Parts: sequence; structure tokens; C-alpha cells
Amino acid sequence: RKEVEQDPGPFNVPEGATVAFNCTYSNSASQSFFWYRQDCRKEPKLLMSVYSSGNEDGRFTAQLNRASQYISLLIRDSKLSDSATYLCVVNWFGNQFYFGTGTSLTVIP
Amino acid sequence: DGGITQSPKYLFRKEGQNVTLSCEQNLNHDAMYWYRQDPGQGLRLIYYSQIVNDFQKGDIAEGYSVSREKKESFPLTVTSAQKNPTAFYLCASRTISGLSTDTQYFGPGTRLTVL
Repeated sequence: RKEVEQDPGPFNVPEGATVAFNCTYSNSASQSFFWYRQDCRKEPKLLMSVYSSGNEDGRFTAQLNRASQYISLLIRDSKLSDSATYLCVVNWFGNQFYFGTGTSLTVIP
Repeated sequence: DGGITQSPKYLFRKEGQNVTLSCEQNLNHDAMYWYRQDPGQGLRLIYYSQIVNDFQKGDIAEGYSVSREKKESFPLTVTSAQKNPTAFYLCASRTISGLSTDTQYFGPGTRLTVL
């Protein structure tokens, strides 16, 4: 079983739609959780950390469910510029980070 | 201008040759990492280093070597022993303060193609 699993998609949504991605992780001792965004042929960039109480940054909301071992990312009012691959990242034992394969999002005009 | 730089951006290598990828950071980060990304796969850890003159193997270290002689620099050598070296190589760094928000920041990557 992979340490971090994501639905690869693709998700094709119209502008203005709300879209949600989930990610599951295998290690219940996981300590830190993040969502990264990766544009085609570019490096991943931190989108947001995921806190136990959930957190919001503008149109983006991240949630953590430790009991079920998953994290989610909700994007409201999708923009064309949101088209990218979204990577779920989990950290345990301090120094190693485990990446999901990414979920591809295309926002359609 | 602070950040992580990688060079070159594109690299072509003949089979049987060793090649070294550069990674430099001026963020005063403690830890540095090398990942490899292949199409349809997540990032896989090659090596990481928490302090100068110390580094640990990641999940796919075979065929690679690293050094950490300076805090700012963590070069990766892809040796001829690496069977499938064509990939996108990403360097990352992070501070180690013990906070759960200590995450990684990436350089722009090097695309290596073996001809």
C-alpha cells in the first residue's frame, strides 16, 4: 500500500464551480500535512498547510480527518488559473515527506 | 533574491557518463533533499541531508551520490550505474525548527535526458 494515495483525475470543471480532492495516508503517526500545486513542467509550490482544525485561505479550504486518515482540499469559484496538478504531502518521522501522485485539475471556460 | 537555484535547467547525457546536478540555497535552511519525478508518479526521495557532512539515503538512492560540504549546497551526481536516469530532478530545502509547518521549498528542477 502506498503511503499517500490520491485520485489522479483528471477533474474537468467549468469556471465558477466548486471542486474537492481527497487524499488518504497510511501512517496514523503522520504529523504534518500539506497541499502543493504543480504546474506543467514546473516545480511544486506550497499551496497551504493543513491544520487539525481545518483552515481556509481565500477560495481554498483544507481539512484533516485523523480518524479516517485523509485530508481534503476544496476549491470554490474555480478560476482558469487554478488548472494544475495538486499534490498531497504527508510528513512523519520529521525528515521524510511522502508525496501523492497528484490530482489533475482543468478549469474550462 | 532568496531562494533555491538548480542548474542546469536541461541536461543531456550519453549513456555511461556521470553527471552532476547543482543545487544551491540562500535561505539558511538546515535540510536539503533530492527527488526524482517521472510521468504519472509521485516524487521519490533519492537522498537528504540535515546537516553539513551528513546525508541519508532515500527510497531510490542506488546509482546516485551526494555531498554536503557547505550548508548552502547539495550537489547530486547521477552515475552510470543508474539504469533509468531520464527524469525531472527536484531539489528542496527546509528549516528544522520542530514546528509542524516546517515544509519544503523547491528549486525549479533539472530535466535530465540520457541519449
